[in-house]
Amino acid sequence: QQPVQSPQAVILREGEDAVINCSSSKALYSVHWYRQKHGEAPVFLMILLKGGEQKGHEKISASFNEKKQQSSLYLTASQLSYSGTYFCGTGSQGNLIFGKGTKLSVKP
Amino acid sequence: NAGVTQTPKFQVLKTGQSMTLQCAQDMNHEYMSWYRQDPGMGLRLIHYSVGAGITDQGEVPNGYNVSRSTTEDFPLRLLSAAPSQTSVYFCASSRLAGGFYNEQFFGPGTRLTVL
Repeated sequence: QQPVQSPQAVILREGEDAVINCSSSKALYSVHWYRQKHGEAPVFLMILLKGGEQKGHEKISASFNEKKQQSSLYLTASQLSYSGTYFCGTGSQGNLIFGKGTKLSVKP
Repeated sequence: NAGVTQTPKFQVLKTGQSMTLQCAQDMNHEYMSWYRQDPGMGLRLIHYSVGAGITDQGEVPNGYNVSRSTTEDFPLRLLSAAPSQTSVYFCASSRLAGGFYNEQFFGPGTRLTVL
């Protein structure tokens, strides 16, 4: 079952912050975050594992609440290069399922 | 390393035709998968494999077949193309370690149009 992302879209000015949320109805063992720019393939940002371990991006942070089956991606002091569609992916029972994405637009 | 490669980049088919989308990786990754991407639907998992000889269905497997005879290759076959299969197809691979999926490496995608 696809995880649910919110919001669907967000528009920011450079320097503003944003939070993207991801929730699942299933127990989560890991949450992945990816960014995709228009016409390109998704690119890895971060993995959060059950137990609190994080691997990934230096300038973007995330949280993982195992009890609530939720994860949030925090984009601080946004740059023009942050524009794109962000996907969360949840891993359980042998496969990795992605949400529908959140489109982030950063304006000058 | 070439990473994950996909061929062709673009393809136009007529309804009822069959074809194979090729995917290869040179990173010795155990896990490989196929996703389709349609506007507003995100990335939907078609089939995946955790090793040579092992495949399983994802969210939207109907109309597609896969096989994994080697670690490197994971072709996706469209048996009888339908307009509903018009989409962008992405292949991805990753290591499997400790039961958790690691960073997924995506190929550049194949844009398929079925008329």
